[in-house]
Amino acid sequence: TQLLEQSPQFLSIQEGENLTVYCNSSSVFSSLQWYRQEPGEGPVLLVTVVTGGEVKKLKRLTFQFGDARKDSSLHITAAQPGDTGLYLCAGKVKINAGGTSYGKLTFGQGTILTVHP
Amino acid sequence: GAGVSQSPSNKVTEKGKDVELRCDPISGHTALYWYRQSLGQGLEFLIYFQGNSAPDKSGLPSDRFSAERTGGSVSTLTIQRTQQEDSAVYLCASSFRQGAYNSPLHFGNGTRLTVT
Repeated sequence: TQLLEQSPQFLSIQEGENLTVYCNSSSVFSSLQWYRQEPGEGPVLLVTVVTGGEVKKLKRLTFQFGDARKDSSLHITAAQPGDTGLYLCAGKVKINAGGTSYGKLTFGQGTILTVHP
Repeated sequence: GAGVSQSPSNKVTEKGKDVELRCDPISGHTALYWYRQSLGQGLEFLIYFQGNSAPDKSGLPSDRFSAERTGGSVSTLTIQRTQQEDSAVYLCASSFRQGAYNSPLHFGNGTRLTVT
């Protein structure tokens, strides 16, 4: 069983501050995805990282995949109230089941981010 | 609609009753997942369907849980003899065949199940 430890679990900051969310595992993943979820809705994909050491930027969000593909981080610069939500990392491993193979996602427990105006 | 549709959006049931949750995936998506999410927590994998292949049921927590996918499209998750610990949000997601590493999952808004 692949486990993803996400930290911190809760983060409450003021508008304009920077923050980093971490996602760690002892397992190697073929890729890692970050999702954002708002109350009453399903998670929405933000980014996928595939290569060890890869860095991707999405406006004020910077995502990094560890060199060994076991960990990842999400850094937000100058956070805004609109960034408030639940951030989830999800690692993908290849599974052989039922005569086929597929990429199975294992989710971390999430980070609840609140950005105060 | 263009997205994943789940119904009902909310379900309150008495302990011991059976419930059925429905998921309509995005047209053309062959992969379908069910996840369970407790309040403010991460997602727990339940079951995966891919085309006509046998489903991966490894995440179902007990034999009270079952799921079907008819005609490779609509899926139903059934919970028999519900217990209070079954209370959670049940999320369905679909994607193109999971052969590509970066295929994103498209989630529905979930069914919030409350067992009283």
